[in-house]
Amino acid sequence: GAGVSQSPRYKVTKRGQDVALRCDPISGHVSLYWYRQALGQGPEFLTYFNYEAQQDKSGLPNDRFSAERPEGSISTLTIQRTEQRDSAMYRCASSLWDNYEQYFGPGTRLTVT
Amino acid sequence: AQTVTQSQPEMSVQEAETVTLSCTYDTSENNYYLFWYKQPPSRQMILVIRQEAYKQQNATENRFSVNFQKAAKSFSLKISDSQLGDTAMYFCAYNAGNMLTFGGGTRLMVKP
Repeated sequence: GAGVSQSPRYKVTKRGQDVALRCDPISGHVSLYWYRQALGQGPEFLTYFNYEAQQDKSGLPNDRFSAERPEGSISTLTIQRTEQRDSAMYRCASSLWDNYEQYFGPGTRLTVT
Repeated sequence: AQTVTQSQPEMSVQEAETVTLSCTYDTSENNYYLFWYKQPPSRQMILVIRQEAYKQQNATENRFSVNFQKAAKSFSLKISDSQLGDTAMYFCAYNAGNMLTFGGGTRLMVKP
């Protein structure tokens, strides 16, 4: 079956603009996660959902970052008023439920100029 | 807070040889899961192997196996018969309920 998909794959934006990153999880997966990965480092947790409920947003760096999953499937991570330090790979993962293995999408590479 | 440490930033191995990547972690939990993920140059994140902490038997997946030492909080990955396609970053990860906590990664180069 289809894996996790993310769009866009690459996004270049100017400082101060808002961006929306989309994640489409594996069909039937209840849990959806967002991570951010800087070059040469491991991914860092941002937030996660079970169904449409946001369970933990402790990893969101500040209030410019928000995420939603209104119908319990597709999720959007929104970054408002982007800054250069937001440049990174943003990864989405899904799993059948908590504690199951997480499968990652290809990521969105965000560059803020 | 849980931490995951990979003490080998870079390693290399000759094709067909065996290599072991190290990982240690710190936790006060008793029930948790450990994973190894592979990130090739394409930067995909590919799940290699999974270990449940309550299982004493070490997990194996074809050429990949782990040495899980719960008391020592150690979780190493052994790659047998290394292939050129194994060249990648390898990340160790810990999960006690929801989020994954990753180590800093080990860059493995398989040489022909």
